[in-house]
Amino acid sequence: EVQLVESGGGLVQPGGSLRLSCAASGFNFWEAEMNWIRQAPGKGLEWLSYIGGGGTTLNYAASVRGRFTISRDNAKNSLYLQMNDLRAEDTALYYCAVFGDYFDAFDIWGQGTMVTVSS
Amino acid sequence: DIQMTQSPSSLSASLGDRVSISCRASQSVVSYLNWYQQKPGQAPKLLIYGASNLQRGVPPRFSGTRSGTDFTLTITSVQPEDFGIYYCQQSFSSPRTFGQGTRLDIK
Repeated sequence: EVQLVESGGGLVQPGGSLRLSCAASGFNFWEAEMNWIRQAPGKGLEWLSYIGGGGTTLNYAASVRGRFTISRDNAKNSLYLQMNDLRAEDTALYYCAVFGDYFDAFDIWGQGTMVTVSS
Repeated sequence: DIQMTQSPSSLSASLGDRVSISCRASQSVVSYLNWYQQKPGQAPKLLIYGASNLQRGVPPRFSGTRSGTDFTLTITSVQPEDFGIYYCQQSFSSPRTFGQGTRLDIK
């Protein structure tokens, strides 16, 4: 079964750090192009970051560039998002998602992990 | 950044109705336009990719069309399970941007 399972969310104070993980199974993770997408409570979807299969091609949204770092460990079938200098506006449900074979659509999603930034 | 504007922001439909949701891109995205459905408490689900290609497993009552920078998602006969929020998303350039969403309620 194709599956993505996020973990690592929680409550953190402003200025703090958190590392999210996404465990993949059921597909060839090492060649999959992976993304992080978030959704603030009651709001829409915001793409955050992309990493190519080899781990060397990276891309970030302006809202998180310089604060968040995407990485992967293909030996562990895992994707990560290191989040530093967290702000209240980073409070959201964080999803990992896979680019599909055509038109770079997000065709596989995890269930999300919630990050709350509050003092 | 490419802005994606959806309309309407919400709509109500009766079972069996034909409904259409529009999405306009602020510049050309060619056919790099995807549609997702999100139900409460669930992750988004891909419905249509490349403007008009039905994702496997998605019922054929869903369809997508393109006219320039205007895109339309159509549900030919709304079913009870079709309630939720629909998002368009461009995958032509980075950052990948989403529309603000259209909420579909079933009367």
